[in-house]
Amino acid sequence: SIVMTQTPKFLLVSAGDRVTITCKASQSVSNDVAWYQQKPGQSPKLLIYFASNRYTGVPDRFTGSGYGTDFTFTISTVQAEDLAVYFCQQDYTSPRTFGGGTKLEIK
Amino acid sequence: QVQLQQSGAELMKPGASVKISCKATGYTFSNYWIEWVKQRPGHGLEWIGEILPGDIITNYNEKFKGKATFTADTSSNTAYMQLSSLTSEDSAVYYCARRVIKGGFAYWGQGTLVTVSA
Repeated sequence: SIVMTQTPKFLLVSAGDRVTITCKASQSVSNDVAWYQQKPGQSPKLLIYFASNRYTGVPDRFTGSGYGTDFTFTISTVQAEDLAVYFCQQDYTSPRTFGGGTKLEIK
Repeated sequence: QVQLQQSGAELMKPGASVKISCKATGYTFSNYWIEWVKQRPGHGLEWIGEILPGDIITNYNEKFKGKATFTADTSSNTAYMQLSSLTSEDSAVYYCARRVIKGGFAYWGQGTLVTVSA
């Protein structure tokens, strides 16, 4: 299985800060990486697909980049409502695998 | 609009089986893979596998072979996942999900909490 190593596990930031989360795949997954946001008590929500494509209705402060094994997810200006856990996922091959998650807290 | 509605929470005894449902509306059920995902606190998200309802094609994560069984009823647009020989390790929230076509799971059910306890 492809291992998705996501860092950091935890972020404590202020509103207005820039946030970057990284995911490293244990082997190439081309650009087939998605990023999700999961707020407390809710199902995951797709934000980014194919590494850099913003899903319908997702604010443009959320961006993704990367190819091969190294991927980055950025929130340009964090807002209080971005409090959540963020996950990466490779959808390149079975079994689909997820990163361990990054919990974002707002000061 | 696409919606996935899952069955309610289950409290099960160790050794029992449970069947979770995922009713799809708003699209042609037969044509899209339904994904199943497990979430336990401290264990993140795990992909269990997928089923293509129209052709009844299934793909399982090796880790869940023998544990999970997928079925689908195209007459009621409902996908099912049965979990057998339940242990405390199976206590989790289980989600069904669907891609738009490819590239990430765009649609998710609300989740079904399964608790295994004597």
